[in-house]
Amino acid sequence: SQELEQSPQSLIVQEGKNLTINCTSSKTLYGLYWYKQKYGEGLIFLMMLQKGGEEKSHEKISAKLDEKKQQSSLHITASQPSHAGIYLCGAVYNDMRFGAGTRLTVKP
Amino acid sequence: EPEVTQTPSHQVTQMGQEVILRCVPISNHLYFYWYRQILGQKVEFLVSFYNNEISEKSEIFDDQFSVERPDGSNFTLKIRSTKLEDSAMYFCASSGPGAGGLETQYFGPGTRLLVL
Repeated sequence: SQELEQSPQSLIVQEGKNLTINCTSSKTLYGLYWYKQKYGEGLIFLMMLQKGGEEKSHEKISAKLDEKKQQSSLHITASQPSHAGIYLCGAVYNDMRFGAGTRLTVKP
Repeated sequence: EPEVTQTPSHQVTQMGQEVILRCVPISNHLYFYWYRQILGQKVEFLVSFYNNEISEKSEIFDDQFSVERPDGSNFTLKIRSTKLEDSAMYFCASSGPGAGGLETQYFGPGTRLLVL
């Protein structure tokens, strides 16, 4: 079974709409990372959450960690075409594991 | 802003050949990592390296793989005898200098390896 499950697998939204991407861990979470990857390129660090209930935001992207549910959600407000890409959650167990990613398309 | 760099950006090789992928981590980082991503699949951990030795490795990182920090700046991944299934994007990452494990890992742009 997957250690990190992301949902949805893909998402198409109209520009200006809000959206949420979820990441659920099958193991205890000690820290959760969100990265963005443009197709065929490297991973860009977005934010890291360490404590239960922690919520961080940067520009129009925010994320929070629910330690009890072993879940994190990434929220984008008023999406723009520049937000398009693949969003990956990652967690450190013995080593870093990634979810399969959520492919986001933003239609102008 | 400091960043992780990788060379080459693309490498094409014949099956059975050796390849060396190079990475220059962020200069004050102490932890180094290699990951790979087969086209259309997840990013997979290969190995982590700290204090001149491997600290963790995955089941993918078998005897054909090796890592080295030959000098104070480079971190290399060698694949001894490449196989078709080694074709992937290989990412280097670095973190530190705090305690390992929960430091943010910063990724390089990747080397796309194609084995023919």
